[in-house]
Amino acid sequence: RKEVEQDPGPFNVPEGATVAFNCTYSNSASQSFFWYRQDCRKEPKLLMSVYSSGNEDGRFTAQLNRASQYISLLIRDSKLSDSATYLCVVKGNAGKSTFGDGTTLTVKP
Amino acid sequence: DGGITQSPKYLFRKEGQNVTLSCEQNLNHDAMYWYRQDPGQGLRLIYYSQIVNDFQKGDIAEGYSVSREKKESFPLTVTSAQKNPTAFYLCASSREPRSTDTQYFGPGTRLTVL
Repeated sequence: RKEVEQDPGPFNVPEGATVAFNCTYSNSASQSFFWYRQDCRKEPKLLMSVYSSGNEDGRFTAQLNRASQYISLLIRDSKLSDSATYLCVVKGNAGKSTFGDGTTLTVKP
Repeated sequence: DGGITQSPKYLFRKEGQNVTLSCEQNLNHDAMYWYRQDPGQGLRLIYYSQIVNDFQKGDIAEGYSVSREKKESFPLTVTSAQKNPTAFYLCASSREPRSTDTQYFGPGTRLTVL
């Protein structure tokens, strides 16, 4: 079993739709959690950190459930520009990050 | 502008040759990382360095070597011992190796071994 698992998708949604991605992790001692966005053939860029209390940034909401060991990303009112691969990242207290394989989102007109 | 630079963007090498990928940062970050990404997959950690003159193996270090002689620079050498070196190589840095610090990535180098 992989340390960090994501549904690879692809998720194909129309503009304006709401879409949610989940990510599960196996190491209960994990300390920090992040969502990165990666466009085709580009480097990953930080989308948002994920906090236990949940956090929101515009149309994006991230949640952490430590008891069930999963994090989620919700995108509301999808835009064409949201099309990308979304990477879940889990970090331990030694500073080492583990990346999921990514979930691909395509938003269509 | 502060950031991370990687060069070259594309690199072609013949099988059996060693090749060194450059990574430089002017963010004054202590920690630096090298990842490899294959098509349809996430990033896998090759090596990381938390401080100058120190580095640790990641999950897939075999066939690779690094050095950290300066805070700003963390070059990666892909040796002929690496069995399948064709991949997208990404360098990253973070202010400190603490768990809460986010990583910032360079634009990557696409290595193709012919």
